[in-house]
Amino acid sequence: DTEVTQTPKHLVMGMTNKKSLKCEQHMGHRAMYWYKQKAKKPPELMFVYSYEKLSINESVPSRFSPECPNSSLLNLHLHALQPEDSALYLCASSQGTGENIQYFGAGTRLSVL
Amino acid sequence: KQEVTQIPAALSVPEGENLVLNCSFTDSAIYNLQWFRQDPGKGLTSLLLIQSSQREQTSGRLNASLDKSSGRSTLYIAASQPGDSATYLCAVKGSSNYKLTFGKGTLLTVNP
Repeated sequence: DTEVTQTPKHLVMGMTNKKSLKCEQHMGHRAMYWYKQKAKKPPELMFVYSYEKLSINESVPSRFSPECPNSSLLNLHLHALQPEDSALYLCASSQGTGENIQYFGAGTRLSVL
Repeated sequence: KQEVTQIPAALSVPEGENLVLNCSFTDSAIYNLQWFRQDPGKGLTSLLLIQSSQREQTSGRLNASLDKSSGRSTLYIAASQPGDSATYLCAVKGSSNYKLTFGKGTLLTVNP
């Protein structure tokens, strides 16, 4: 099973709302990632967790707050977002951060009104 | 800073044709290169991964090659089918920071 599950599939939120995106994998992977993808653009890395510790933050604004409660679960907490944050948010996992294949979820389509 | 370029940006072919997608990268210090497929509004499906020490990988009708010294990779699709229609993304993982850098993709349309 190479499945990465993301919920919800779609999310609409106002600029004052607080919401969370969830990502889950049961492949025993120890690295998990958040990417942001705007329309007709490639994915851009936001955060990397390795062994449940944040190892890379690509200078993401603090209105995006990642959390890794355990080795199978990765959350992205959203607060006070802007309309330009509307995008497809992709989660990925891999066995480690080195040479391994990254497996991606189907993404959460976020619209900020 | 690693830059990944994919050519062509879009490609339309009749069913049954063999085709080649190109990917080039500026920094040859890579850990691996991965080809993905993305259907509209969907996530990414990993197709092939080539380690920096390898020259090619094959899976079914797909063959990917890597020439690290020249900073190039190709994805060969044999006997294309309408179901192959999607955007194909190339991504390289740097050896210094393990970051995956993507190209902008090639939008492939296979016409029945």
